[in-house]
Amino acid sequence: EIVLTQSPGTLSLSPGERATLSCRASQSVSSSYLAWYQQKPGQAPRLLFFGASSRATGIPDRFSGRGSGTDFTLTISRLEPEDFAVYYCQQYDSSPYTFGQGTKLEIK
Amino acid sequence: EVQLVESGGGLVQPGGSLRLSCAASGFTFSSYAMNWVRQAPGKGLEWVSAISGDGDSTHYADSVKGRFTISRDNPKNTLYLQMNSLRAEDTAVYYCAKSGSYYGLWDYWGQGTLVTVSS
Repeated sequence: EIVLTQSPGTLSLSPGERATLSCRASQSVSSSYLAWYQQKPGQAPRLLFFGASSRATGIPDRFSGRGSGTDFTLTISRLEPEDFAVYYCQQYDSSPYTFGQGTKLEIK
Repeated sequence: EVQLVESGGGLVQPGGSLRLSCAASGFTFSSYAMNWVRQAPGKGLEWVSAISGDGDSTHYADSVKGRFTISRDNPKNTLYLQMNSLRAEDTAVYYCAKSGSYYGLWDYWGQGTLVTVSS
């Protein structure tokens, strides 16, 4: 089973600032089969990225994803109020499909 | 517009059973694998089970193998999760999720249904 570790656990920033979220895998994720999801309180997760760096439909370009192998990053260039949420990385390289524990992005 | 609507959650005693349903619309249901993903209160996400578009192939997390059964009725555009021998640790919001271009990549999610296992 591929274990994903996200850091930091909580990130406190202000609107307009830049956010960098990290996801590290316990073994290499083939073909960058790594996704990022955003979840707001009381809502279902929303797909942001697949293939580590491909934006899902409707995701603004202030969001970017990169990485390969075992190290992946989600960056939000200029935080908007609606970006404050919990972010999960997830690997779909092999079953069982696993998630990181999440990074909570909160308003400072 | 893709819509996934779960139902069937509720309060059940340990050792009991429950069947969840997910009504799908807005896409060709039989063409896509479907999944159940759960989230315990205040916790992270956990993939539970997947089923191929034709229903011939199923996969389970070790935590539910032998207790849960995923199935689908393609003419009715409905996904199911039969949950038996329920435990307190199965308490969670259960989400139905549609696979995209890959089995384990989920591009649309329902709003979830809460299952509470408690005496």
